[in-house]
Amino acid sequence: EILLTQSPGTLSLSPGERATLSCRASQSVSSTYLAWYQQKPGQAPRLLIYGASSRATDIPDRFSGSGSGTDFTLTISRLESEDFAVYFCQYYGTPPPTFGLGTRVEIK
Amino acid sequence: QLQLQESGPGLVKPWETLSLTCTVSGASLNGGSYYWGWIRQPPGKGLEWIGSIYYTGSTSDKNPSLKSRVTMSVDKSKNQFSLQLTSVTAADTAVYYCGRPSPRGGSGWTYFDHWGQGALVTVSS
Repeated sequence: EILLTQSPGTLSLSPGERATLSCRASQSVSSTYLAWYQQKPGQAPRLLIYGASSRATDIPDRFSGSGSGTDFTLTISRLESEDFAVYFCQYYGTPPPTFGLGTRVEIK
Repeated sequence: QLQLQESGPGLVKPWETLSLTCTVSGASLNGGSYYWGWIRQPPGKGLEWIGSIYYTGSTSDKNPSLKSRVTMSVDKSKNQFSLQLTSVTAADTAVYYCGRPSPRGGSGWTYFDHWGQGALVTVSS
């Protein structure tokens, strides 16, 4: 089972700033099977990125994913008010799929 | 537009069985070769994949940590699929989400592209 470690735990930024979120796998994995989700309080997660870098339907292009091997990154180029939320990464290459514990992006 | 909605008791006693149903609208369970699945999230914590079932009900994949206690089924006549979790304890208290593993992903354990709004189930006497 792949363990995913997300950092930082909390990111305090202002609207308009760039957010860089990290997801590190416990061993080298295929980037084909790395996803990112956004979750707001009281809501279900929303798929942002799959295959490490492919944006899901209707996801704005300020969200981008990259990485390979053990290190993956979600970048939000310019934070908008609706982007302040918790972000989870997921590896789904082998069962069971696993999730990181999340990074909270909060308003500074 | 595909929508999913969880339903079931919000309170279950310890050692009893948790039962949840997910009603699918905007698509027929018979309308494609899809998996349908469940993920849970304890309050204030991360996400845990429970398992997925093929639309025919013939195949399912389960998290090994829960496998002995999980049963999933499909009722195509009602456009619903269901989860049963036996012998629950306080550790099973969570928001339970139903969802659809993306057909693009090609497996029952791939990422979810559609989610229900979630149902909080509390295990307490």
